Amino acid sequence: NAGVTQTPKFQVLKTGQSMTLQCAQDMNHNSMYWYRQDPGMGLRLIYYSASEGTTDKGEVPNGYNVSRLNKREFSLRLESAAPSQTSVYFCASRWVRGTEAFFGQGTRLTVV
Amino acid sequence: QKEVEQDPGPLSVPEGAIVSLNCTYSNSAFQYFMWYRQYSRKGPELLMYTYSSGNKEDGRFTAQVDKSSKYISLFIRDSQPSDSATYLCAMSRNSGNTPLVFGKGTRLSVIA
Repeated sequence: NAGVTQTPKFQVLKTGQSMTLQCAQDMNHNSMYWYRQDPGMGLRLIYYSASEGTTDKGEVPNGYNVSRLNKREFSLRLESAAPSQTSVYFCASRWVRGTEAFFGQGTRLTVV
Repeated sequence: QKEVEQDPGPLSVPEGAIVSLNCTYSNSAFQYFMWYRQYSRKGPELLMYTYSSGNKEDGRFTAQVDKSSKYISLFIRDSQPSDSATYLCAMSRNSGNTPLVFGKGTRLSVIA
């Protein structure tokens, strides 16, 4: 049982480049989330998808876009990467409100 | 004021000590309270889950929720070096499909 799988695990981008972070879950969860984690800042929500076909902004959405491709997959796109987007990105999923969220292993992104 | 406040530490204790980790929150709508443990370069994993007020015990870990004070705690008894990690509190409302809100996390080191 893979749980939540993120790809890639590591990435280095140059300023202005674009990329898509992929996330897939095999637990039949309805909701999926993208967080970023920076030193001293904890986990901050970028975007989330409460159910297939819906997406909503979180605390720090600027510079990002998302796509809920189907129930399993939720991707995060950086259109024009900036050094301020250097961070560790976590994807998470959960079944319904009130239940625990399961996290992927993270993507370490460096923008130079 | 952030919805969830957590002292980031770091906290360093000797092996065998009792550890107390705490979070305060401002939103009285929170009903579900969780503690996640995150080892270095890994994704967060659920450690404890509590609904509404009260205590919950699991082995060396005890979670407490005091909704009247908007205060939650995690106690670790007989702490071990393997408990060295970052501990994040998280909470969720009881309505809608809103995401978990996390504290900044407390970095704990247990010294042998």
